[in-house]
Amino acid sequence: DQQVKQNSPSLSVQEGRISILNCDYTNSMFDYFLWYKKYPAEGPTFLISISSIKDKNEDGRFTVFLNKSAKHLSLHIVPSQPGDSAVYFCAASAYGAQKLVFGQGTRLTINP
Amino acid sequence: GAGVSQSPRYKVAKRGQDVALRCDPISGHVSLFWYQQALGQGPEFLTYFQNEAQLDKSGLPSDRFFAERPEGSVSTLKIQRTQQEDSAVYLCASSLGAGQGYGGRGFNEQFFGPGTRLTVL
Repeated sequence: DQQVKQNSPSLSVQEGRISILNCDYTNSMFDYFLWYKKYPAEGPTFLISISSIKDKNEDGRFTVFLNKSAKHLSLHIVPSQPGDSAVYFCAASAYGAQKLVFGQGTRLTINP
Repeated sequence: GAGVSQSPRYKVAKRGQDVALRCDPISGHVSLFWYQQALGQGPEFLTYFQNEAQLDKSGLPSDRFFAERPEGSVSTLKIQRTQQEDSAVYLCASSLGAGQGYGGRGFNEQFFGPGTRLTVL
């Protein structure tokens, strides 16, 4: 079963606008969430994270929101830039575990 | 400093062949992970080492898959008698610590290598 789901395989946004990527999870034991960004032929690179004791974490143009009751998190990118075009993975970790559980990814395309 | 490196970057194997994939983690990183990423999917956990100890191998899909990290640094993922369904990108990641940090339970950022793309014909 897919414990972390990204239901949008792709998203297209105009440069300068806000990009919102969504992620849902089913495992109540998850207590740490991360977003990774991946360019072709490269490994995923860490972008931003949030622990379950928070509902928001901001880092420059990137903000992650966590809604624990809905088991939902989102990544906001404002303003979107062409270099943000990549595949974005949502990932989660359960208390006591080190491994990450990833979603399927969302391909973000920023149009000039 | 240098990031996580993996070799080879690309590997083509005939069905039934054995392959060995190498991972060089960031120097000093305690934790090392292997993930498998099928086409169009997210990475899936295979196994985890803390130094030389393999603490979790619950994600290894069959006994054809074997991983080791004998000296607590370089790791090798070996796949015996490869099958077509083994075709994927194999990602290695390392992290500095082993879970210490905030609130009595921390998380250490995992740094990923570029992966090895394995194609089994």
